[in-house]
Amino acid sequence: GNSVTQMEGPVTLSEEAFLTINCTYTATGYPSLFWYVQYPGEGLQLLLKATKADDKGSNKGFEATYRKETTSFHLEKGSVQVSDSAVYFCALSTNSNSGYALNFGKGTSLLVTP
Amino acid sequence: DAGVTQSPTHLIKTRGQQVTLRCSPKSGHDTVSWYQQALGQGPQFIFQYYEEEERQRGNFPDRFSGHQFPNYSSELNVNALLLGDSALYLCASSLFGRNIQYFGAGTRLSVL
Repeated sequence: GNSVTQMEGPVTLSEEAFLTINCTYTATGYPSLFWYVQYPGEGLQLLLKATKADDKGSNKGFEATYRKETTSFHLEKGSVQVSDSAVYFCALSTNSNSGYALNFGKGTSLLVTP
Repeated sequence: DAGVTQSPTHLIKTRGQQVTLRCSPKSGHDTVSWYQQALGQGPQFIFQYYEEEERQRGNFPDRFSGHQFPNYSSELNVNALLLGDSALYLCASSLFGRNIQYFGAGTRLSVL
């Protein structure tokens, strides 16, 4: 079956530090990969996506590269800000004739301190 | 352009009761998916509706049922509530056949 494994948090960083959140996956077929972010008290927002091997998704300074050989989709940001404090979810979806459903990891909480 | 809207925001029920949660998709979207997010966990897929039919279902018991209306809005019904049903219930909308889903803010259900 499909599954996503994320590094456990919480992750605490100082402002302007480099961020890496690890994500690996198991899937049948060729999944699309996503990072979603959840701010306190809110729903999920799509941060970035990649649909095939070697694709790089990027948004708001965050990047992740779809690595088929290592089944990974690690999230990175060169310089985090206090406003990046949130919970980050890695997810995958696979195509079926019935549409797409998302499989999520457990989430990684990020706290950025001034 | 309104995004995905869910109601109510919060709900408190007791064991054995039934609950109905509501979702209006983003304008132009025709597919609605429901997810359950327990505290400290990632969302778990419940089911997906398109053309008023359940198209996919996750590993949830029959106590969880849904409906989609001609205007694409959707309801999630949970019967015989258990304490373990306490969670944030998220609705997501999309265009059928597209793999990007947009989420609402969720309904927080507490079962006492």
